[in-house]
Amino acid sequence: DAKTTQPNSMESNEEEPVHLPCNHSTISGTDYIHWYRQLPSQGPEYVIHGLTSNVNNRMASLAIAEDRKSSTLILHRATLRDAAVYYCIPEPMDSNYQLIWGAGTKLIIKP
Amino acid sequence: SQTIHQWPATLVQPVGSPLSLECTVEGTSNPNLYWYRQAAGRGLQLLFYSVGIGQISSEVPQNLSASRPQDRQFILSSKKLLLSDSGFYLCAWSKRASSYNEQFFGPGTRLTVL
Repeated sequence: DAKTTQPNSMESNEEEPVHLPCNHSTISGTDYIHWYRQLPSQGPEYVIHGLTSNVNNRMASLAIAEDRKSSTLILHRATLRDAAVYYCIPEPMDSNYQLIWGAGTKLIIKP
Repeated sequence: SQTIHQWPATLVQPVGSPLSLECTVEGTSNPNLYWYRQAAGRGLQLLFYSVGIGQISSEVPQNLSASRPQDRQFILSSKKLLLSDSGFYLCAWSKRASSYNEQFFGPGTRLTVL
């Protein structure tokens, strides 16, 4: 299974962009890269996923390095509601529906 | 639209007592279903997953068991709880025929074993 490395925590100011890094140097060529977030005392929610190209949706953007060994989740204008733990999860093609969760990055938003 | 329900929301149980947590999904059919446990400050640990009625795969040996008596019902049980069973239990579902595994989570059950 691909291993991930994320900062334990990050701080950002409200209304500013946030770049959350993830290192997944052992990822294989066919593994999707998922990002989820978990607000306090709630279940995780899907944020975005990608394979090779950069991806955008209404919540965030995902920038994937050309060698796919790292990715960055971008929140374009952070709000207090974006304070959460963000998980970067590679999904192997042969994962049999499993996602392997690390400890994630706790994002703190300062007003 | 699809919704996922879990109950109870919180539970305090003595060591050695039985456990039953229930999860139901509405608005979809033939989902993959998952039970996770989360210790404080940690990531999610997959306990069980199911691809169909009566089909359960266990990921971690423990005193917990899971059952799927109906297509959209997933139950987590224990005959005798241990202190180490305390945690935040999450049920999730995903679409069966999907090229990627987007999972949708319920609100969770916070279990404290005393």
